[in-house]
Amino acid sequence: EIVLTQSPGTLSLSPGERATLSCRASQSVSSSYLAWYQQKPGQAPRLLIYGASSRATGIPDRFSGSGSGTDFTLTISRLEPEDFAVYYCQQYGSSPRTFGPGTKVNLK
Amino acid sequence: EVQLVESGGDLVQPGGSLRLSCAASGFTFSDYCMSWVRQAPGKGLEWVANIKQDGGEKYYVDSVKGRFTISRDNAKNSLYLQMNSLRAEDTALYYCARDRGMGVIKKYYFDQWGQGTLVTVSS
Repeated sequence: EIVLTQSPGTLSLSPGERATLSCRASQSVSSSYLAWYQQKPGQAPRLLIYGASSRATGIPDRFSGSGSGTDFTLTISRLEPEDFAVYYCQQYGSSPRTFGPGTKVNLK
Repeated sequence: EVQLVESGGDLVQPGGSLRLSCAASGFTFSDYCMSWVRQAPGKGLEWVANIKQDGGEKYYVDSVKGRFTISRDNAKNSLYLQMNSLRAEDTALYYCARDRGMGVIKKYYFDQWGQGTLVTVSS
């Protein structure tokens, strides 16, 4: 099973700032089968990024994903008020599909 | 608009059973693999099970193998999760999620999610 580690656990930032979230895998994620999801309190997760760097339909271009192998990054170029949430990475190249523990982006 | 609506969650005693349902609309249900993903209170996400389009292939996380059964009825646009021998550690919000395939050898991420149904296992 591939274990995903996310850092930092919590990120305290202000609107307009840049957020950089890290996801590290215990072994290589084949063909960049890595996704990012956003979850707000009381809501279901929402797909942001798939294939490590492809934005899902309707996702603003301030969200970008990068990386390969074992190291992946989600970047939010300029935080909007609605971006304060928990972000999960997930690998789907190996079974079982696994999620990271999440990074909470909160208001500084 | 894609909609996934879960139901069936409840308070159940350890060792008990429960059947969750997910009603799908807004897309051709029979074209997609489907999954159940759960989230324990205040915790992260865990994939539980998935089923291929025709129901012929089913996969489970090790912790539920032999206890949970995923199924679907394409005529009713519905996904199910039969949960037996429930344990306290199965307490979670259970999401129905649509699988989206990527690559020549299809690998699946979750592109649509329902709002979840809460299962509480407690005496």
